[in-house]
Order: sequence, then C-alpha cells, then structure tokens
Amino acid sequence: EVQLVESGGRMEQPGRSLRLSCVGSGYSFDDFAMHWVRQFPGKGLEWVAGISWNSDKREYAESVKGRFTISRDNDKNSMSLQMDRLRPEDSALYYCVKDGPGGWFGGYFDRWGQGTLVTVSS
Amino acid sequence: EVVLTQSPGTLSLSLGERATLSCRASQNVDTGYLAWYQKKPGQAPRLLIYGTSYRASAIPDRFSGSGSGTEFTLTISRLEPEDFAVYYCQQYGRSLWTFGQGTKVEI
Repeated sequence: EVQLVESGGRMEQPGRSLRLSCVGSGYSFDDFAMHWVRQFPGKGLEWVAGISWNSDKREYAESVKGRFTISRDNDKNSMSLQMDRLRPEDSALYYCVKDGPGGWFGGYFDRWGQGTLVTVSS
Repeated sequence: EVVLTQSPGTLSLSLGERATLSCRASQNVDTGYLAWYQKKPGQAPRLLIYGTSYRASAIPDRFSGSGSGTEFTLTISRLEPEDFAVYYCQQYGRSLWTFGQGTKVEI
C-alpha cells in the first residue's frame, strides 16, 4: 500500500523559515516525481512545487518561486520543502503528493498524504 | 498560466440523479493532462480521472470524464451517498499545474 507521511508543519512568524518533510513507502519511490500541493483554509487547492524522479527538474508556482526550495533523497525515500521568508498567505495544509507515471512528470497526482498544517502569524 | 473555471459552484441533487460538472480552461489543454479529484472534509483529495477519461484504480464506473480543447466534463451517472463532496479539475502544461476552484455536490 502506498503511504505518504508529512511532518514539520507548525506555527511560525512571518519572515522566518520552516522545513516540511515527507516519507514515502509501499512503492518504488525513485521512479516517480513528487510534489507539494496546499489547501488554504476553507478554500481550494494550489500546486506549490514539483521535483522529477532524479531531481534534475524542479518547478515552482510563481507565488513561492525564490522563497521555497524542493528537494528529495531517494536513498531515504524522502522529500522536503524548505520554506523561507514565510508570509501569512502561506498558511495552509500542505500535502505531499506522488506524481503519476510518464516522462519527467506524469501530469497528475495519484497518491496524497494526509497533510501537515502550516500557520504563519505573528 | 492556464486558468480553470468550474461550474456550477454548487450542484444540489438527490440520490440516484446524474451529476454533470464542467471545467473550462482559458487555453487549450492537452487531453493527456486533465484530471479530476474528489475531496471530502478531513480527507486528502482522491484521484478519480486522469488523461481526461481514464478512471483511476478502484474508481467506480459511474464516474466518467470527457472533453477536449478548453471544455471538459466529469459525469457521475447515479449519485450514491458517498459521492457528495467537492470536485476539482486540474491541468498540467508548460511546467505548471493548476486547479479549478471546485464544484460542491450536495444533497
């Protein structure tokens, strides 16, 4: 069974940093791209960042480009999101998501973790 | 960036009825890169449809997807109690992934 488990979410002040982590199991982790997707309180979904299976390609939403960094360690079946210069509008539930098969990115998200909550507030 | 607009915002239907959800894109979307998800409160989103019309693993056949270009549709042929949820369409293109704002299917 595929499992994705996030950790690292907490309350942090604006301008500070936070690092989210995700560990995957139940599948061949290094065969698939991975992503972070967030859900704002009471609102919709927003893709945040994606990383290819071998880390050669990293893509970011405009809203986080230059502030967030996605990385992965295939030896540890893990992925991380380094979040710098946090803003209140980054407050959301952050999901670790597995990409579907195909090329650098399959284009869709076929498995989701349960999410980790980030709150940015002074 | 491709903007996805879903309609209606809320769909009020009864058990056994047919639900038709629309997703309109601001630019042409490759049919290989259009997906639909179901989201229930307190749960992670679940992939229903990928590649416009392919059902994901373990998804009942009452769910179907269709469309091309800028117009896509998710159809639930006969609503079951567990189908009342929020549904999102999503596209991938030019290294960006975007979601629609969601359609809530309620009783």
